[in-house]
Amino acid sequence: DTEVTQTPKHLVMGMTNKKSLKCEQHMGHRAMYWYKQKAKKPPELMFVYSYEKLSINESVPSRFSPECPNSSLLNLHLHALQPEDSALYLCASQPGLSSYNEQFFGPGTRLTVL
Amino acid sequence: QQPVQSPQAVILREGEDAVINCSSSKALYSVHWYRQKHGEAPVFLMILLKGGEQKGHEKISASFNEKKQQSSLYLTASQLSYSGTYFCGARGTGNQFYFGTGTSLTVIP
Repeated sequence: DTEVTQTPKHLVMGMTNKKSLKCEQHMGHRAMYWYKQKAKKPPELMFVYSYEKLSINESVPSRFSPECPNSSLLNLHLHALQPEDSALYLCASQPGLSSYNEQFFGPGTRLTVL
Repeated sequence: QQPVQSPQAVILREGEDAVINCSSSKALYSVHWYRQKHGEAPVFLMILLKGGEQKGHEKISASFNEKKQQSSLYLTASQLSYSGTYFCGARGTGNQFYFGTGTSLTVIP
């Protein structure tokens, strides 16, 4: 299995809602990433997990809360989001954090905050 | 720390060649290249490491000038399927990874 899956594919939520995005991989990769991508812009790094521990938080607002329950699963919990948080959220995995390893991306969750 | 790419956009006819450049103000230890089609996830193309090692698709070629902190991606005999946005990427001093500004490539018949 060489793919990264993300659910849901689309999500519409109000500013008072609580929702979660899910990312799963079964390639035995030990590094996982969350990116945010606005239209016509490059993916912007949010969080990096390495061996299930949070390694990097790129000064992301606390209304985004990542969680890595096990080596195959990565969640992003959303609460009290703003309309400007509407974007494509991409998850990626990597065998390890070596520069020699490419990242494998999931198809993304398109989030709309009303 | 975001690498800067040039050109921002390019339109090619099938069979033509293109070069996409990536430049960083910080030291580069490796450069990654990805292509993203509209509405899809980025797909890996190539990794270039200091010292000349490369890993990637056989039909893609690229160069990495460590001293100038620059990389170039060479697309030859372009096909319609080459259309998309190309991103270079580089690792930061920690475990961060930064994508470049992107180059939109359109191949027309």
